[in-house]
Amino acid sequence: AQSVTQPDIHITVSEGASLELRCNYSYGATPYLFWYVQSPGQGLQLLLKYFSGDTLVQGIKGFEAEFKRSQSSFNLRKPSVHWSDAAEYFCAVGPAGNNRKLIWGLGTSLAVNP
Amino acid sequence: DAGVTQSPTHLIKTRGQQVTLRCSPKSGHDTVSWYQQALGQGPQFIFQYYEEEERQRGNFPDRFSGHQFPNYSSELNVNALLLGDSALYLCASSSTGSNTEAFFGQGTRLTVV
Repeated sequence: AQSVTQPDIHITVSEGASLELRCNYSYGATPYLFWYVQSPGQGLQLLLKYFSGDTLVQGIKGFEAEFKRSQSSFNLRKPSVHWSDAAEYFCAVGPAGNNRKLIWGLGTSLAVNP
Repeated sequence: DAGVTQSPTHLIKTRGQQVTLRCSPKSGHDTVSWYQQALGQGPQFIFQYYEEEERQRGNFPDRFSGHQFPNYSSELNVNALLLGDSALYLCASSSTGSNTEAFFGQGTRLTVV
């Protein structure tokens, strides 16, 4: 079965601390992988995506993610969190060549302490 | 570029009523997908429209229907509303072809009472 698991429902970090949000997927074909961020009451903004090539991808707002095929993981990282990063983060996977019918994780809610 | 725009932003309907939500895709995009996001959940794929036809569909009942117009804008219609249809409805647009990303609108918050 195709699925995306985000093991951490809620994470709290202090401003300036490093961050890692976990994402594991189960997918039969070559996956396209995405991380989106959603601020309260807002739509979804793409942080970064992985299609092929270098397994470490850089995104917006200082985020990066590493694709590890052997672990079926695509964890999101940021070296120093800012208070404005507080939001809901979603990992999603879709088939190669068609990123539209995405399968989503349940999200990780990030809180940032001053 | 206005990006993906959705209307209305908020809507309250009574159980059993019908609702129409609207989406204008990002300039240059020809494909529109609709998602339902219940509170505290990730988005669930409803369906996708391309060339005015439904191309893919998720696990949603026939009460959910849609339409795409020649200018690529789209509507989502939900009939016989249930309390469980209360959710944020997101529209995403993209362009045909591989390695393209979907851009999302702000969503329409539907509350069924």
